[in-house]
Amino acid sequence: ETGVTQSPTHLIKTRGQQVTLRCSSQSGHNTVSWYQQALGQGPQFIFQYYREEENGRGNFPPRFSGLQFPNYSSELNVNALELDDSALYLCASSLVGSDGYTFGSGTRLTVV
Amino acid sequence: AQSVTQLDSQVPVFEEAPVELRCNYSSSVSVYLFWYVQYPNQGLQLLLKYLSGSTLVKGINGFEAEINKSQTSFHLRKPSVHISDTAEYFCAVTRNMLTFGGGTRLMVKP
Repeated sequence: ETGVTQSPTHLIKTRGQQVTLRCSSQSGHNTVSWYQQALGQGPQFIFQYYREEENGRGNFPPRFSGLQFPNYSSELNVNALELDDSALYLCASSLVGSDGYTFGSGTRLTVV
Repeated sequence: AQSVTQLDSQVPVFEEAPVELRCNYSSSVSVYLFWYVQYPNQGLQLLLKYLSGSTLVKGINGFEAEINKSQTSFHLRKPSVHISDTAEYFCAVTRNMLTFGGGTRLMVKP
């Protein structure tokens, strides 16, 4: 079975720009969640998608948005980038009702 | 609401010594508990998980954890560490979404 794939692996953006990060779910999984991991900290839950709708959100502003596609892949969009958005962004897929989360290797976003 | 506190930000230990990484959790409902490991520039790898049943959970790479519901703790242990165990370890709790602790950096010295 394939794992979770994230792209790109690294990205540098300028403050105020917009960015889109992508995630392909593990085969058989129908739920995708996104996490932000700042340097030296634990991952923080951004939001979760199931059946192409957001069904849970952490304490992040509306400029963080997402999409889930019919093939269960997902995008994370961040508008009006700020320096504090610099972090590792992790995607995890799971099967709703199960306890198993599979994580991708993450996208390292640097905002300058 | 649920939260996780990892009591030590760094744990230095010599190779072949035992180690315990401490984790306390709080939740108003029953939850699942996890330990993940993160190697440099990588994502999270599941070490072990507690869903129900036995309080002692065995995971990969010789790690185990024991849940203590009265103290709401879920400490991770390994009887003998290796240099390759040097990494960041995260305790997490979930009801509908994963909530992580701040992490503990395990540093194994020769």
